[in-house]
Amino acid sequence: GAVVSQHPSWVICKSGTSVKIECRSLDFQATTMFWYRQFPKQSLMLMATSNEGSKATYEQGVEKDKFLINHASLTLSTLTVTSAHPEDSSFYICSARFGLSNQPQHFGDGTRLSIL
Amino acid sequence: RKEVEQDPGPFNVPEGATVAFNCTYSNSASQSFFWYRQDCRKEPKLLMSVYSSGNEDGRFTAQLNRASQYISLLIRDSKLSDSATYLCAVGDNFNKFYFGSGTKLNVKP
Repeated sequence: GAVVSQHPSWVICKSGTSVKIECRSLDFQATTMFWYRQFPKQSLMLMATSNEGSKATYEQGVEKDKFLINHASLTLSTLTVTSAHPEDSSFYICSARFGLSNQPQHFGDGTRLSIL
Repeated sequence: RKEVEQDPGPFNVPEGATVAFNCTYSNSASQSFFWYRQDCRKEPKLLMSVYSSGNEDGRFTAQLNRASQYISLLIRDSKLSDSATYLCAVGDNFNKFYFGSGTKLNVKP
């Protein structure tokens, strides 16, 4: 149980392109979804937290107009990196949780984004 | 001060060894505790939750010390396949997790 699917796994695109990443909880309803970014050999950095039907809460230093998050249903959240540039290249990982903060987060497979 | 701190390692141990990692947290009001395993260039996978009374899952034992504000993970009879980075996660009562930067384990033949 607790399967989270993330798509696509890899994206390579030109600078200025907008990229959309989907995160789906396949066998449970995710009360909360989280988006992280991880640079090589560094720890997970929380970008934003989203609850179904409400606006995402962004961490300090994360531009909400650059990283658009939509959490339209209890099983789907999307992250759109708008007008991506090479410095946005990273490993983006979503996670989903059912219930309160004493429940674990379950991670998607991650999306490796490379901007040329 | 970071919310959650871990020794980055690497811990290099032979197969069959017992190895332990600690993870300290700064918020005494933290509510939930977990260990994750992350393989190179992959997503973190939940290894186990950490309960107040301590818990065991096969070769893995997790413990929580609230007084000293740390959690630990003990791996007995290490296997080559245990080589990975181990992340601790600490949840507060405001919906947020804090992850440590991970401890790298290399199990050698």
